[in-house]
Amino acid sequence: DTAVSQTPKYLVTQMGNDKSIKCEQNLGHDTMYWYKQDSKKFLKIMFSYNNKELIINETVPNRFSPKSPDKAHLNLHINSLELGDSAVYFCASSSTGGNTEAFFGQGTRLTVV
Amino acid sequence: GENVEQHPSTLSVQEGDSAVIKCTYSDSASNYFPWYKQELGKRPQLIIDIRSNVGEKKDQRIAVTLNKTAKHFSLHITETQPEDSAVYFCAASDPFYGGATNKLIFGTGTLLAVQP
Repeated sequence: DTAVSQTPKYLVTQMGNDKSIKCEQNLGHDTMYWYKQDSKKFLKIMFSYNNKELIINETVPNRFSPKSPDKAHLNLHINSLELGDSAVYFCASSSTGGNTEAFFGQGTRLTVV
Repeated sequence: GENVEQHPSTLSVQEGDSAVIKCTYSDSASNYFPWYKQELGKRPQLIIDIRSNVGEKKDQRIAVTLNKTAKHFSLHITETQPEDSAVYFCAASDPFYGGATNKLIFGTGTLLAVQP
């Protein structure tokens, strides 16, 4: 039973398109995240939500818009895709309280051509 | 903000040898330091973590040490096996956010190759 699941796993799209990635967790966690892993494997946080409230927005371009309809779901919508957006995007979740394990989804490999 | 440096970027060892990966952090208020293992094409998974009130933690062949004064922590893997081959990331929690969220600042990763 998958704890953090995200769809799709692969996404190939043309520049200028708009795309969405969905994430769901069944761990009962209050906090969810989006991380970006670039071609050099560097993992960097993009957003964090706690109980549907945006807590962290790491100077991500406005083209990226997260949305949390409830605490078990966190989606990421990207407008006007650019070549530099190509990366693996990971959703993660953790329980509130800090200093707790972050559980990652399987990742979405986005390729912009 | 917090900054984490990780060394080496690549590490090759013979099966059965030990491997050590080192990280330093900049914010002395950070108090949570997890280590993640990421196999090729897979998600990062927690292998061990340590909190600032502890100097060392061990789980079978894996151990982590923390030196708060020097602001560095290390991952030790003993009796390495081919299945230990992966990218390992250290991380430190950004203390700014308190309990509402757990913002992790990751190191740049170490590609560990265990030669059979």
